[in-house]
Amino acid sequence: EVQLVESGGGLVQPGGSLRLSCAASGFTFSNYWMHWVRQVPGKGLVWVSCIKSDGSSTCYVDSVKGRFTISRDNAKNTLYLQMNSLRAEDTAVYYCTRGRTGNYFDYWGQGTLVTVSS
Amino acid sequence: QTVVTQEPSFSVSPGGTVTLTCGLSSGSVSSSYYPSWYQQTPGQAPRTLISSTNTRSSGVPDRFSGSILGNKAALTITGAQADDESDYYCALYMGSVSWVFGGGTKLTVV
Repeated sequence: EVQLVESGGGLVQPGGSLRLSCAASGFTFSNYWMHWVRQVPGKGLVWVSCIKSDGSSTCYVDSVKGRFTISRDNAKNTLYLQMNSLRAEDTAVYYCTRGRTGNYFDYWGQGTLVTVSS
Repeated sequence: QTVVTQEPSFSVSPGGTVTLTCGLSSGSVSSSYYPSWYQQTPGQAPRTLISSTNTRSSGVPDRFSGSILGNKAALTITGAQADDESDYYCALYMGSVSWVFGGGTKLTVV
C-alpha cells in the first residue's frame, strides 16, 4: 500500500525557516517524481515544487523560487522541502504527492500545517 | 499569469448529471495540457479521479468521466450520489515542468 506521511509543520515567525519531510513507503520511491502542493485553509490547491526521481532536476512555482528548496534522499525514501524567509502568505497545509507519467498526481499524504505568524 | 478557471459552485439533484469545467483565462484547454481532476472533502487529502483528460484512476466509479468540451476540460458525474458532495479541482500541465490548479468547484448534492 502506497503511503506518504508528512511531518515538520508548525508555527514559525515571519522570516523564519522550516523543513518539511515526507516519508514514503509501499512503492519504489527512487522511480518517481515527487511534488509538494499546498492549500491555504478554506482555499484552493496550489502546486509548489517538484523533483525528478534521481534528484537531478527541480522545479518551483514563481512565488517560492529562491526561498524554498526541494530535495530527496532515495536511500531513506524521504522527500524534503526546506522553506526559508517564510511569509504570512506561506501559511498553508502542505501535501506531498507522487507524480506520474501523464503529468498528474496519484497518491497524496494527509498534509502538514505550516503557520507563519508573529 | 495564466489562470485556470472553474465554476465556484454547482448544485445537482441526487441521481442527476452534472458537468464541471476547467478553462483558461486565455486560450483553450486541450489534451496537451494533460487535464486531471481531484476530489476533496473537508479535512481530507485530495483524491485523484481522472488523469490525462479521461483516464479514471483505480477504484473511481464509472459515473465519473472526463472529456474536452469545446475549449475546456470537463468532469461529468452521471447519477450523482450524496457522497459526491465535495470540492473538485482540475489541474493543467503548463509545460516547462509546471502545473496550475483551478480554484475549485464546490459541488452540492441536494
